[in-house]
Amino acid sequence: SAVISQKPSRDICQRGTSLTIQCQVDSQVTMMFWYRQQPGQSLTLIATANQGSEATYESGFVIDKFPISRPNLTFSTLTVSNMSPEDSSIYLCSAREDRANYGYTFGSGTRLTVV
Amino acid sequence: AQSVTQPDIHITVSEGASLELRCNYSYGATPYLFWYVQSPGQGLQLLLKYFSGDTLVQGIKGFEAEFKRSQSSFNLRKPSVHWSDAAEYFCAVMTTDSWGKLQFGAGTQVVVTP
Repeated sequence: SAVISQKPSRDICQRGTSLTIQCQVDSQVTMMFWYRQQPGQSLTLIATANQGSEATYESGFVIDKFPISRPNLTFSTLTVSNMSPEDSSIYLCSAREDRANYGYTFGSGTRLTVV
Repeated sequence: AQSVTQPDIHITVSEGASLELRCNYSYGATPYLFWYVQSPGQGLQLLLKYFSGDTLVQGIKGFEAEFKRSQSSFNLRKPSVHWSDAAEYFCAVMTTDSWGKLQFGAGTQVVVTP
C-alpha cells in the first residue's frame, strides 16, 4: 500500500501565525484528504484536495482559514492560517489508493499546539 | 442522516482475554467498512476492511471483523489481546455517494491490564 510522509510531525506556534503542513505520497493517488483530530476526539474531514482545482471543503471549514494545494498526484499541503489556541489539534492527511482492493492510507499526523 | 456509532467509549480488558469492539452504521445501502487503530502519538493504521463477499474479514495483528447486514454492524474481535493492543480504535465507513470520503465513529479507547 501507499506510504505517506507528513511533516512536520509537531510544532508549537504563536497565535496569529500560519503553519503549512506537507504530505508526500510515494505513488500517484487520485484522492487526498485532510482531517482534524481535536484532543480526545475522532477525526473530522476538513476538505478533499483536488489535483488541479480548488479543494472541496466540508461544512464549517473555509478556504481562507485552511487553504489547500494539490499541485500533482503525489503531493498536497494544508495551511492553518491566523492560528488561535482553538486550532490546537492533530492534522492528518490521507490518500485513497486507486486500486479497488486498497483502503485509505494516513500520514503520521502533525500535532499542532498554538500558544 | 448517515452515521457511524461506536457505543463503547472506553473498554478495559485483561491481557489474554478476548476483545470485541462494536460498530453500527446507518446508511441506505451497504457501505464500505473499515477498522483503524491509532496508537498514542501515531497516525492511523488500517486493521481490515470490508467491501463485499465473505462477511467475516481477517485483518492484521490477529483481528477479525464480521459484517452483519441485518444488524447494520461491523464488530471487531480479537481472541486474545496483548498489551500492545492498547490503543484507540476507529470504525469508519465510506459510501459510493460520498465522493470517497470516510466518516469515522467516535472511537473506542482500549486499555489492557496485566
